[in-house]
Amino acid sequence: GENVEQHPSTLSVQEGDSAVIKCTYSDSASNYFPWYKQELGKGPQLIIDIRSNVGEKKDQRIAVTLNKTAKHFSLHITETQPEDSAVYFCAASRYKLVFGAGTILRVKS
Amino acid sequence: DSGVTQTPKHLITATGQRVTLRCSPRSGDLSVYWYQQSLDQGLQFLIQYYNGEERAKGNILERFSAQQFPDLHSELNLSSLELGDSALYFCASSQRGERTDTQYFGPGTRLTVL
Repeated sequence: GENVEQHPSTLSVQEGDSAVIKCTYSDSASNYFPWYKQELGKGPQLIIDIRSNVGEKKDQRIAVTLNKTAKHFSLHITETQPEDSAVYFCAASRYKLVFGAGTILRVKS
Repeated sequence: DSGVTQTPKHLITATGQRVTLRCSPRSGDLSVYWYQQSLDQGLQFLIQYYNGEERAKGNILERFSAQQFPDLHSELNLSSLELGDSALYFCASSQRGERTDTQYFGPGTRLTVL
C-alpha cells in the first residue's frame, strides 16, 4: 500500500524566515496531495492541495511543489509568523488519504 | 470552523465498554470519513461512507463499526474497548466521496479508556 514519509519531524524558524517541509510517497498512481495544519485541540485544517496534473500551486505565503518523477512534494511557507506554529501533515491519495507522520513547526518571535 | 460537527468532545470510559461517536457533515457533503489519531500510529483512515453506503475500508478493527443515516450524519461504534483504543477520533466530509475530493475535518472526539 501507499507509504508517505515526512521530514523534518520538528522545525524551528525565526519569524519572517521561510519554512520547508518535504514528503515522499511510494505509490506512483497517487494523484492528490493535500497539506493540513493542526493546532492544539483542533482538527486538521486544509491549507493547500495539489493534483497530479499541476507542478506548483501558490496561495499567498504558502506554496506546494510536486515532482511526480521523484515522487516527492514540498510545502513552502514564506514570511513565517507566530500563528504559523502548529503541526503540519502531508498526505497522498490513490484510493484513500495516507498521511505523513507530521512536522511540528515552531516560529520564534 | 470547517462546518463538520462531532459529539461528544470528550469521552472517558472503562475497558470492555461500548461507545458511540457522532458526526454531522458539512451542508451538501454526501461522504463521511472516520480517522483515528494516536501518538504511535499517527492519523489513520478507518472507513468511508457515501450517501448511506460503505465505500472504502481502512485499518478498522472488527470491534469497530460505523453507519451513515438517511440525513447523512454518521456514527462510529467502538465496542469491547481496550486501553489501546484511547485516541482522537476525527470525522471528515467531502462533496462526492471521490479520491481527489477535498476532505474537511471536524474538531474530533477525544476517547480515554481507563
